[in-house]
Amino acid sequence: KAGVTQTPRYLIKTRGQQVTLSCSPISGHRSVSWYQQTPGQGLQFLFEYFSETQRNKGNFPGRFSGRQFSNSRSEMNVSTLELGDSALYLCASGVYWTGEETQYFGPGTRLLVL
Amino acid sequence: AQTVTQSQPEMSVQEAETVTLSCTYDTSENNYYLFWYKQPPSRQMILVIRQEAYKQQNATENRFSVNFQKAAKSFSLKISDSQLGDTAMYFCAFMLISQGAQKLVFGQGTRLTINP
Repeated sequence: KAGVTQTPRYLIKTRGQQVTLSCSPISGHRSVSWYQQTPGQGLQFLFEYFSETQRNKGNFPGRFSGRQFSNSRSEMNVSTLELGDSALYLCASGVYWTGEETQYFGPGTRLLVL
Repeated sequence: AQTVTQSQPEMSVQEAETVTLSCTYDTSENNYYLFWYKQPPSRQMILVIRQEAYKQQNATENRFSVNFQKAAKSFSLKISDSQLGDTAMYFCAFMLISQGAQKLVFGQGTRLTINP
């Protein structure tokens, strides 16, 4: 099976702009989670989607939003970018209610805000 | 709230040696999973090993094994016969299973260097 894919891999934006990141989960996985990784804060949970519904949300401002489509692909959007949004954004896909709950990560999108 | 603590920011060993990375966590829940992930310089997060809290038997994956002490809330990773390719950041992570929702809580990581 193909792994989790994320596009784009690299992005450079300026303050005030918005950005959309995309994630395609492993085939058959219906859960998609997003994490932000920075040197200062480490890995932090953003949100999780399952069957197009947001099941869980981390402690991030409303500028961070996401959605999931019927094919389980997910997008996250960050509006009004700030310098502090520069980070590696990781997407993970997983399965539910199987006793084998695990999250598998994509390669990440590196976002630089200037 | 669940927390995960990795007390060793950096470790360095010689190739072929055995190394143990420490992890402790805090939770009042009983049903959860624990993971070790590896992040090499490419930044790709790779699953190393997984442990269900309800299983007393420690998980093993080839050269990787864990020592899971549920009462002590400790989850250490042992790497045997270490190889240069094991050089990476290692993250311990906790996942609570609550009404189906999944969320990983990560430790701050341990930077492991394997020297030739």
